[in-house]
Amino acid sequence: SQQGEEDPQALSIQEGENATMNCSYKTSINNLQWYRQNSGRGLVHLILIRSNEREKHSGRLRVTLDTSKKSSSLLITASRAADTASYFCATDGQGAQKLVFGQGTRLTINP
Amino acid sequence: DAGITQSPRHKVTETGTPVTLRCHQTENHRYMYWYRQDPGHGLRLIHYSYGVKDTDKGEVSDGYSVSRSKTEDFLLTLESATSSQTSVYFCAISDGAQDEQYFGPGTRLTVT
Repeated sequence: SQQGEEDPQALSIQEGENATMNCSYKTSINNLQWYRQNSGRGLVHLILIRSNEREKHSGRLRVTLDTSKKSSSLLITASRAADTASYFCATDGQGAQKLVFGQGTRLTINP
Repeated sequence: DAGITQSPRHKVTETGTPVTLRCHQTENHRYMYWYRQDPGHGLRLIHYSYGVKDTDKGEVSDGYSVSRSKTEDFLLTLESATSSQTSVYFCAISDGAQDEQYFGPGTRLTVT
């Protein structure tokens, strides 16, 4: 079963707008990661947030983590056409030697 | 980009034939993973390795076996391919169990 689940499954916005994707998970974690996948390519790591962090920034990306609600959000500001991709969250169970990926959010940026 | 390659990149095979996919890394990372990606299911872990000759099952391991005789190579074998194993297979590596993972370009396998 999947630990992390993204919402929405698909999102379409205009270039320049902000995009927000959410991830919910079920069990306690050490950290949560976000990945991007362009069509036909492997996943690329974007950002890792630890369970004791509430917010993290990387360029136009902002990730928040609420461990009390077992949820995270990924905000992409000032979206560009090149941001068109699928975005996945991945979580670990405490002590686990592996990550569990959600099904992803497919983001489309319209010019 | 992390030095991780997969071979072959595309393969078409017939039901019942054995298939081996290879993942090769040049990063000396301890952990290596095999995932499959299917529409509606996201990315699912098949097997992973935490060292030479040390492997464990993932979420969807039935019908698959793996071997890791060297740090740099992780092989995924389908002993007798079935149509349900048609998928895109990704290899990934990481330094630690909960560290960021670096993904290979994927292998598209079609079982007819």
